[in-house]
Amino acid sequence: DTAVSQTPKYLVTQMGNDKSIKCEQNLGHDTMYWYKQDSKKFLKIMFSYNNKELIINETVPNRFSPKSPDKAHLNLHINSLELGDSAVYFCASSLAGGNEQFFGPGTRLTVL
Amino acid sequence: GQQLNQNPQSMFIQEGEDVSMNCTSSSIFNTWLWYKQDPGEGPVLLIALYKAGELTSNGRLTAQFGITRKDSFLNISASIPSDVGIYFCAGLNAGNNRKLIWGLGTSLAVNP
Repeated sequence: DTAVSQTPKYLVTQMGNDKSIKCEQNLGHDTMYWYKQDSKKFLKIMFSYNNKELIINETVPNRFSPKSPDKAHLNLHINSLELGDSAVYFCASSLAGGNEQFFGPGTRLTVL
Repeated sequence: GQQLNQNPQSMFIQEGEDVSMNCTSSSIFNTWLWYKQDPGEGPVLLIALYKAGELTSNGRLTAQFGITRKDSFLNISASIPSDVGIYFCAGLNAGNNRKLIWGLGTSLAVNP
């Protein structure tokens, strides 16, 4: 049983393209997150949604747009991809009042 | 963004040895979490700590919530090859929109 799933696992694309990463959780959690992990392995929060409402929006270029159609899904759309966007993107979820975040397997994005 | 000081940055040990790592912060946290990340996977929660002075075990892993609430420690006893990975600490304050503050990770290598 997959708790937090992401698609695709790998994404290779050209600079300037637009791409989306999808995330779904079947844990019944209310809050979902997107993280970016760079080559030095630092985990940087990008966005957080609580029951479809944006609650954390870090200093992220507006080329990145999260969309939450329902509380079990949080997708990430990236416009005009740049070389510096290459990284591993992780989705995570938690209970609204909970501190423990559960992570998906990650999406490795490579921009050529 | 804010980061936690995590030490050591990397460790290379012999199978069977015990491992200690720590995490320190300039600010107080209400929750400390310890995660492990295997290569190509997302971080997996190992131990959650909620009370200053709390000592919690998960198999061969033991973690402590420092009395000052500004630090936490993780110990692994009798290490085995599958302990290889990156260990992350993360801290949380209740009023921070559930935004975890992360350490830079401790990379552990175990020589069989």
